[in-house]
Amino acid sequence: SQQGEEDPQALSIQEGENATMNCSYKTSINNLQWYRQNSGRGLVHLILIRSNEREKHSGRLRVTLDTSKKSSSLLITASRAADTASYFCATDGAQLIWGAGTKLIIKP
Amino acid sequence: DTEVTQTPKHLVMGMTNKKSLKCEQHMGHRAMYWYKQKAKKPPELMFVYSYEKLSINESVPSRFSPECPNSSLLNLHLHALQPEDSALYLCASSQEMRGPRGNQPQHFGDGTRLSIL
Repeated sequence: SQQGEEDPQALSIQEGENATMNCSYKTSINNLQWYRQNSGRGLVHLILIRSNEREKHSGRLRVTLDTSKKSSSLLITASRAADTASYFCATDGAQLIWGAGTKLIIKP
Repeated sequence: DTEVTQTPKHLVMGMTNKKSLKCEQHMGHRAMYWYKQKAKKPPELMFVYSYEKLSINESVPSRFSPECPNSSLLNLHLHALQPEDSALYLCASSQEMRGPRGNQPQHFGDGTRLSIL
C-alpha cells in the first residue's frame, strides 16, 4: 500500500547542482526512511529519521522531517552523475509503506 | 556488492513451468521479505518471515509459495504463473520486523528479473 506522495516524479539537473525531493505521508509515524535504487539494482537504504528528529545528515545527504506537515525532504548537495537513480521514501507501519518515488537524472 | 544474494539474476519461464527463486543473507537478520516491483513503481510487499515463521502474506495468489528453510535462506516457489507476473522480484532482510521505534532499515538483494512467456 502507498502511504503518500513524492514530488517531483522526475527531476533532471546539471552535475554539481543540488537536488531536492519531497515526500508527504498521511498517518503518524515512528520513523521515515529514504532509499535509492539504481537502474536494474536493488534498493539501498540511505538514511532513517525518527519522528522526534527534525534534521539528519549523512555525507552529501540532508533529510528533514516536519511531522506537523507530515512531510520530509531529501537534499543531495553537489550532485554527481552517480547519483542518477530513483529515490523512495518509506514510512513505518505494520510494514514499510512506500512512496511512489522520484527519478533523478544528473546531466554531466 | 550487496549482502543479500539472490539467484538467479534472470529467469524466463513458461506458464506451465515450476521454478524457484532463492535468497540468502548472513547478517544474522531475523526478518526476511519478498517484494514484487514493476517498472517505474515502488516495491510491493508480498511476504514477510519473522524468526522463520510467515508473519505477513499480502493476499498473494497461491501460485507463489514462500519457504524459509532456516534463518539465512528464503525461497519463493513459482508455479503456473501468468504474464502479468513478469516483474523484478526483490528479497530483503532486516534485524527484526519491527523494533521499539518502528520498522528497521531493510537490506535488499539485486533481485531476479522474471519474464513469463
